Amino acid sequence: SQELEQSPQSLIVQEGKNLTINCTSSKTLYGLYWYKQKYGEGLIFLMMLQKGGEEKSHEKITAKLDEKKQQSSLHITASQPSHAGIYLCGALDMDTGRRALTFGSGTRLQVQP
Amino acid sequence: GAGVSQTPSNKVTEKGKYVELRCDPISGHTALYWYRQSLGQGPEFLIYFQGTGAADDSGLPNDRFFAVRPEGSVSTLKIQRTERGDSAVYLCASSPGGGAALGANVLTFGAGSRLTVL
Repeated sequence: SQELEQSPQSLIVQEGKNLTINCTSSKTLYGLYWYKQKYGEGLIFLMMLQKGGEEKSHEKITAKLDEKKQQSSLHITASQPSHAGIYLCGALDMDTGRRALTFGSGTRLQVQP
Repeated sequence: GAGVSQTPSNKVTEKGKYVELRCDPISGHTALYWYRQSLGQGPEFLIYFQGTGAADDSGLPNDRFFAVRPEGSVSTLKIQRTERGDSAVYLCASSPGGGAALGANVLTFGAGSRLTVL
């Protein structure tokens, strides 16, 4: 079965600093989904990447899928307290045909004012 | 509805009791998913419905867990003889479904039902 490993597990940055979160898959990715979760809330969809080398941006968050489609990175520029939360990557396991996303264990981000 | 609604938001029960958790998905979404999330972990897949039928229930941990979606809309997750290890946040999500296109699998999540088994 597919496994997604996220690094780092947790991160504390000063407001205004840049940061990068990584998601590495045990299998080739056919689609990679990034979500954000705040405490006590459900997951909020951020972006979906499909093609090798694809890069998408939303406000100050940029996500990229590498050419080999086994790793994705999420980069936040000039972090703000509103960026704090848990970032989760999810993917479909195309070998099993399961239509439900498998998630990594998440990266917990704290942004200090 | 405008979003995915889950009730109750919090449930405290005693070991051995029966629990039902309800999910009301986005109107028109044919696919519905249940996940379980423990502290410090990512969501763990439980079951997936396409319409009224359970298309994949391979994530249900044992036969104490059961889920239904009789009319293809609202779903209920049922847990019998609860155990302390069942304590977690149970998340429901829905998606447009209906195809293999990656966009059809963008999940919209509810806020979750936090279950505590004493």
